[in-house]
Amino acid sequence: AQSVAQPEDQVNVAEGNPLTVKCTYSVSGNPYLFWYVQYPNRGLQFLLKYITGDNLVKGSYGFEAEFNKSQPSFHLKKPSALVSDSALYFCAVRRSTLTFGKGTMLLVSP
Amino acid sequence: EAGVAQSPRYKIIEKRQSVAFWCNPISGHATLYWYQQILGQGPKLLIQFQNNGVVDDSQLPKDRFSAERLKGVDSTLKIQPAKLEDSAVYLCASSQGTGGSGANVLTFGAGSRLTVL
Repeated sequence: AQSVAQPEDQVNVAEGNPLTVKCTYSVSGNPYLFWYVQYPNRGLQFLLKYITGDNLVKGSYGFEAEFNKSQPSFHLKKPSALVSDSALYFCAVRRSTLTFGKGTMLLVSP
Repeated sequence: EAGVAQSPRYKIIEKRQSVAFWCNPISGHATLYWYQQILGQGPKLLIQFQNNGVVDDSQLPKDRFSAERLKGVDSTLKIQPAKLEDSAVYLCASSQGTGGSGANVLTFGAGSRLTVL
């Protein structure tokens, strides 16, 4: 069985500050890991994925994520947050099917 | 490239009524997925098609939910009879290649929001 945990329901950060949205996972074998973002009344949009190789993955809108096999985790990061980054973020893991975490609401204040 | 189209965007029904949702995936995408997203939760896979065959429907409540993918393109998801707990957003997604390729990125539609009263 595979599972994803996003321990924070909400993350608050001031614009211009770095942000981290946490994700841990459990899966047998080598995982494929994803981050998706959901804006109000819209579907999920792909941000980035880890398949293999470099543990630091760069994605859309300046986001990046670091794969850590030993923890195991796949935290989402951005060096400088924007108000427009405020949205619901989902971490997901895939072996056979894509399994999502419950989501973390990111609120960036001006 | 056109995105994944879903309709209707919103639907309100009373319990025990039936409802159907329609999805048109991105052209050429072999794999189609239906997810259920209940408020405050992450999306949960209901059914996955590869072309017009079912790959995974282990979490589909088959006593009331059904889905089909016509000619390997469009898909419909039906609920009959609906229960209060079926209130959710129903997301359709599609991806290139076969469902067995775990690296494939899913492209999601905007979703169909169902309210059961």
